[in-house]
Amino acid sequence: DQQVKQNSPSLSVQEGRISILNCDYTNSMFDYFLWYKKYPAEGPTFLISISSIKDKNEDGRFTVFLNKSAKHLSLHIVPSQPGDSAVYFCAARRGYSSASKIIFGSGTRLSIRP
Amino acid sequence: EAGVTQSPTHLIKTRGQQVTLRCSPISGHTSVYWYQQALGLGLQFLLWYDEGEERNRGNFPPRFSGRQFPNYSSELNVNALELEDSALYLCASRPGASLGTSGNTIYFGEGSWLTVV
Repeated sequence: DQQVKQNSPSLSVQEGRISILNCDYTNSMFDYFLWYKKYPAEGPTFLISISSIKDKNEDGRFTVFLNKSAKHLSLHIVPSQPGDSAVYFCAARRGYSSASKIIFGSGTRLSIRP
Repeated sequence: EAGVTQSPTHLIKTRGQQVTLRCSPISGHTSVYWYQQALGLGLQFLLWYDEGEERNRGNFPPRFSGRQFPNYSSELNVNALELEDSALYLCASRPGASLGTSGNTIYFGEGSWLTVV
């Protein structure tokens, strides 16, 4: 039962263009969503997040959009830079109670080409 | 401020052996999560400890276990190692609930690479 899905295992984008990474979820009880970036041989690092009460959150070149009705979120990177080449994980959590945990998608490998 | 630290960084074990991986969370963080990232797969949730107690576990067999110590550090134990246990094991920590929305983010260590031969 994959509650958080990243259906594109890889994505190639030209430097300077927009990168759009997509994520779908099935559990309507999720109320907080996160994106993590992972370089080879390193642990994932937190990138950006969004609460379910919002539909957009922006931080520099990174913007996350949330469409609750479609249970879909996306990460936009613009302009894309070579250092953005990494694996991006979408994650979701339900509530702030002690019973919650963060569930990750399978990741999308982003490659920025010159 | 030191981040999440894990040890060892790399190790090789033979099938049937047992392994213990260690994690020290960020100072002040009370929750520790363990994830497995096998080759070509995403992050699979293993275990979650908070305030010394196991709060939740993922779909892994009982030979995967762990504990959290009073100083909030944690160990992950894997018994009767199998070849498919070869993976990167990641530990993450999270602030306590009293720190508000910052507790929504978990912070990962560099991971422990386990190879089972």
